[in-house]
Amino acid sequence: EPEVTQTPSHQVTQMGQEVILRCVPISNHLYFYWYRQILGQKVEFLVSFYNNEISEKSEIFDDQFSVERPDGSNFTLKIRSTKLEDSAMYFCASSSLQGFGQTQYFGPGTRLLVL
Amino acid sequence: AQTVTQSQPEMSVQEAETVTLSCTYDTSESDYYLFWYKQPPSRQMILVIRQEAYKQQNATENRFSVNFQKAAKSFSLKISDSQLGDAAMYFCAYRSAMDSSYKLIFGSGTRLLVRP
Repeated sequence: EPEVTQTPSHQVTQMGQEVILRCVPISNHLYFYWYRQILGQKVEFLVSFYNNEISEKSEIFDDQFSVERPDGSNFTLKIRSTKLEDSAMYFCASSSLQGFGQTQYFGPGTRLLVL
Repeated sequence: AQTVTQSQPEMSVQEAETVTLSCTYDTSESDYYLFWYKQPPSRQMILVIRQEAYKQQNATENRFSVNFQKAAKSFSLKISDSQLGDAAMYFCAYRSAMDSSYKLIFGSGTRLLVRP
């Protein structure tokens, strides 16, 4: 069964450094998303992406964040200058154009720790 | 703005018994979708069950079923014949049918413990 994959599974970085989180969505999906989950808290929407542009972004998704689909398979989230509060689990998700309520399928997540 | 509330931070069930997890939501929309996701210790989000708001029939997936009460804005998850592998965090999520971003709005989650 096709699945969303994410790399790396864990990332430790120093405050102020740039990080790039990578995702490979399910191959025939056209909508892509990033969510984050701070430890012990709810999952929060960051950004949705369709047709090579951002559909919507949350207030969390400020100028330090960017997303890109550099080729036909990868979908990346870049944090330009990480802060301590960026430490969280980051989930990528994808959904197809058709199908039940455009159900989103999630990747296994990248655990980001900013020191 | 829509909100999703899960009032039970933690629930416990005996193996083979039945448990119900509560979820309420607030919306002014009439068309939307509701989901339950499971997050085991590995922290991957796994879809458990989904429901379209315009369908009156409650969704069922094997041992998992929902009780969807649209007027009450309630969407509870019933797990029958609970198994040890059901132990996880369970998140209720809402998705507007009108919002072109298709973003999910999650509740705060319920941790389910399964006693052997």
